[in-house]
Amino acid sequence: DGGITQSPKYLFRKEGQNVTLSCEQNLNHDAMYWYRQDPGQGLRLIYYSQIVNDFQKGDIAEGYSVSREKKESFPLTVTSAQKNPTAFYLCASSLRHGNSPLHFGNGTRLTVT
Amino acid sequence: DAKTTQPNSMESNEEEPVHLPCNHSTISGTDYIHWYRQLPSQGPEYVIHGLTSNVNNRMASLAIAEDRKSSTLILHRATLRDAAVYYCILRDSGGTSYGKLTFGQGTILTVHP
Repeated sequence: DGGITQSPKYLFRKEGQNVTLSCEQNLNHDAMYWYRQDPGQGLRLIYYSQIVNDFQKGDIAEGYSVSREKKESFPLTVTSAQKNPTAFYLCASSLRHGNSPLHFGNGTRLTVT
Repeated sequence: DAKTTQPNSMESNEEEPVHLPCNHSTISGTDYIHWYRQLPSQGPEYVIHGLTSNVNNRMASLAIAEDRKSSTLILHRATLRDAAVYYCILRDSGGTSYGKLTFGQGTILTVHP
């Protein structure tokens, strides 16, 4: 079955460490996205990529970095510069057209202590 | 970015219809109206989308006002599995920002047995 895989489901890190969240899709989608969700809140866009080797900052990109070397992969690195990294991180993908829906993974819950 | 406004919460009884409203008074002509829903600790799930005409699919119906400044997601017979947070969002189909998708707070739907 086609879909988006985020791993791991739960991740624990010590403060000051960088951590990379994985996102893989086999839907042949050009566009991929990273969102952050805090308890009781909506989703906030971190980064998005419309094509391989290209990506744009979203609304809350500070303290995060991404790469898009392959169409099917869009890893997100949470750096030590991110002040409040503990959150639920969601990856999504879509075709590039505005009328195409987003397909989401089941998220990675990151806890930094 | 065009914004949407939704009620914070709504309640329904099982097997009754549910009408979830969304206001988007600053919608542009190239914006598609998308609806997603999210269960706790899961990624959002696509429900339906439309541009100008009303839309139906197996999950729901989408009624779009003639001036496109508002829309309503209709669940014809609510079930307990429909209890979720529902997000109404606008997706630009043109320009340079068509990849950027901004989520609001959403509507928490409670379904009573």
